[in-house]
Amino acid sequence: GESVGLHLPTLSVQEGDNSIINCAYSNSASDYFIWYKQESGKGPQFIIDIRSNMDKRQGQRVTVLLNKTVKHLSLQIAATQPGDSAVYFCAETLSGGYQKVTFGTGTKLQVIP
Amino acid sequence: GAVVSQHPSWVICKSGTSVKIECRSLDFQATTMFWYRQFPKQSLMLMATSNEGSKATYEQGVEKDKFLINHASLTLSTLTVTSAHPEDSSFYICSAPNPTTSGGAGETQYFGPGTRLLVL
Repeated sequence: GESVGLHLPTLSVQEGDNSIINCAYSNSASDYFIWYKQESGKGPQFIIDIRSNMDKRQGQRVTVLLNKTVKHLSLQIAATQPGDSAVYFCAETLSGGYQKVTFGTGTKLQVIP
Repeated sequence: GAVVSQHPSWVICKSGTSVKIECRSLDFQATTMFWYRQFPKQSLMLMATSNEGSKATYEQGVEKDKFLINHASLTLSTLTVTSAHPEDSSFYICSAPNPTTSGGAGETQYFGPGTRLLVL
């Protein structure tokens, strides 16, 4: 079946640098995308979302970019901090509520102090 | 924000026994909840959709007789792993869409802290 995938399984960045985590999705019908952060032994934590009618959305220190033409999603974290170390998942779903979410393979972000 | 809890947080059991995991929405009502399984260093895989007052919907390849789901109230869904075996050892996570966010569309899902199951 269709799935969401990531290019990089592990990303190491220096504290204070910006991080970019990429994701490729394959289901062209998906119109709602979410980034989750998962710390070791915990459940995923919502970071930011974006709808297909947008190409960019900003939050606090995070920005999500969506390129529907190439089915690409990215998460940018500004001034990466040690507390940002975790596994990041992109996820896709359909808008309209109560839809199941398909997760990508995940990227482990390691912040070097 | 919305809070989803799970109980227990971890459980160790002998092979052949059954284990029940609870998922609760603490500050909102959830007519739908989702159950995921996550093996080490892997992504979350959806197991089933739990619907309040009706039967759960299982994903392909998930045995409904082995993973019993009951959504008895608007704040509680339970997953029972029957006759557990070592290969069932995993991290089980539930999620619930919160209808009070995302403009009421119930699109934003909130995840529980997970339950780690170890079957000996």
